[in-house]
Amino acid sequence: QKEVEQDPGPLSVPEGAIVSLNCTYSNSAFQYFMWYRQYSRKGPELLMYTYSSGNKEDGSFTAQVDKSSKYISLFIRDSQPSDSATYLCAMSPWNFNKFYFGSGTKLNVKP
Amino acid sequence: EPEVTQTPSHQVTQMGQEVILRCVPISNHLYFYWYRQILGQKVEFLVSFYNNEISEKSEIFDDQFSVERPDGSNFTLKIRSTKLEDSAMYFCASALAGGSTGELFFGEGSRLTVL
Repeated sequence: QKEVEQDPGPLSVPEGAIVSLNCTYSNSAFQYFMWYRQYSRKGPELLMYTYSSGNKEDGSFTAQVDKSSKYISLFIRDSQPSDSATYLCAMSPWNFNKFYFGSGTKLNVKP
Repeated sequence: EPEVTQTPSHQVTQMGQEVILRCVPISNHLYFYWYRQILGQKVEFLVSFYNNEISEKSEIFDDQFSVERPDGSNFTLKIRSTKLEDSAMYFCASALAGGSTGELFFGEGSRLTVL
């Protein structure tokens, strides 16, 4: 079983749609959870960070962590064509020896 | 805003040559990482570095690879005797880390092309 599972997509939605992206994980030691946006041939850009469980909102992004289900989500409200990118989830246990990444979900927001 | 910077942005080398990729992590960060991404594929962990020593390394990070923090600010990845399959984007990342703080920040990457 992979440490982090993420649906690779591609996910295609119309402009203005609410987008839901998800990852599941198997290691109950993960404490730190992140979502990144990556444009082609660019470095991953940190979008959202959550420590332990709970929800966090920042602009049009909401991140949710459910440690009991080992499931994290990123919601994008009022999606725009500029949100078209690959979205990566990442997580780490307390010792920071390694951050584990999902395979990325490719999102296309159509005008 | 502090950022991770990487040089060179693109390097072309001949198979068998050695390359050094350089990174300047965010100044107060304590944990440093190298990841790589072959075009169109997932981000792969190579190595982590803390307190001047390797914390963890992947199966990919064999004797061909080494890391160094030579002067307290730079963090380098050396790849000896490059192979065609080493062609990839190499990303440096750093984290302050500790308590509730655990964000990982990436540089823009160094694209390595091995001919």
